[in-house]
Amino acid sequence: NAGVTQTPKFQVLKTGQSMTLQCAQDMNHEYMSWYRQDPGMGLRLIHYSVGAGITDQGEVPNGYNVSRSTTEDFPLRLLSAAPSQTSVYFCASSSGTSRGGTGELFFGEGSRLTVL
Amino acid sequence: AQSVAQPEDQVNVAEGNPLTVKCTYSVSGNPYLFWYVQYPNRGLQFLLKYITGDNLVKGSYGFEAEFNKSQTSFHLKKPSALVSDSALYFCAVRDSPRGYQKVTFGTGTKLQVIP
Repeated sequence: NAGVTQTPKFQVLKTGQSMTLQCAQDMNHEYMSWYRQDPGMGLRLIHYSVGAGITDQGEVPNGYNVSRSTTEDFPLRLLSAAPSQTSVYFCASSSGTSRGGTGELFFGEGSRLTVL
Repeated sequence: AQSVAQPEDQVNVAEGNPLTVKCTYSVSGNPYLFWYVQYPNRGLQFLLKYITGDNLVKGSYGFEAEFNKSQTSFHLKKPSALVSDSALYFCAVRDSPRGYQKVTFGTGTKLQVIP
């Protein structure tokens, strides 16, 4: 059971470069989300999706784009990387309670991004 | 707006002693509360949740949590700590179990179990 898979695990970028963090889940979860984790700040929600074709902004969306063309995939795009985007990024998914899920999040292993 | 507070950045406890990791919350409606654990260089793992029912919730690895509505708290507990329990613990809240409401996380508490 793969669960939530994130790639790459590590990435170094220069300021102004763009890149995409990939996230895939094989649990047929409707809900997917991206968080960033910074020391002393816990996890902050960047963007989330409640199903294919539907996305919305979280707490810290600036500088990031998402799309959800399939149930399985939810990529996060950094448009023009900045040093403030140096962080660890986590993708998470869950099954809605309308489908018998109990609401807890399943996390990927994280993608550590450094912007120079 | 919903929020979660974990007042202790770090908790140290001797192996074999009981442990408590504190969490308080604020929501406008009924709270739905979660605890997650993160081991070094890993993603978060679900430990337990409170949705409704008994105030004492049991979860994975011998952990339990007590929901206290009057004190708006959801403290994580374990009767006897293990060295392997050393990790970062996050409390989280959402204001409804239905649909896909946003989950708000606390800042985390590092648990150090001393042999």
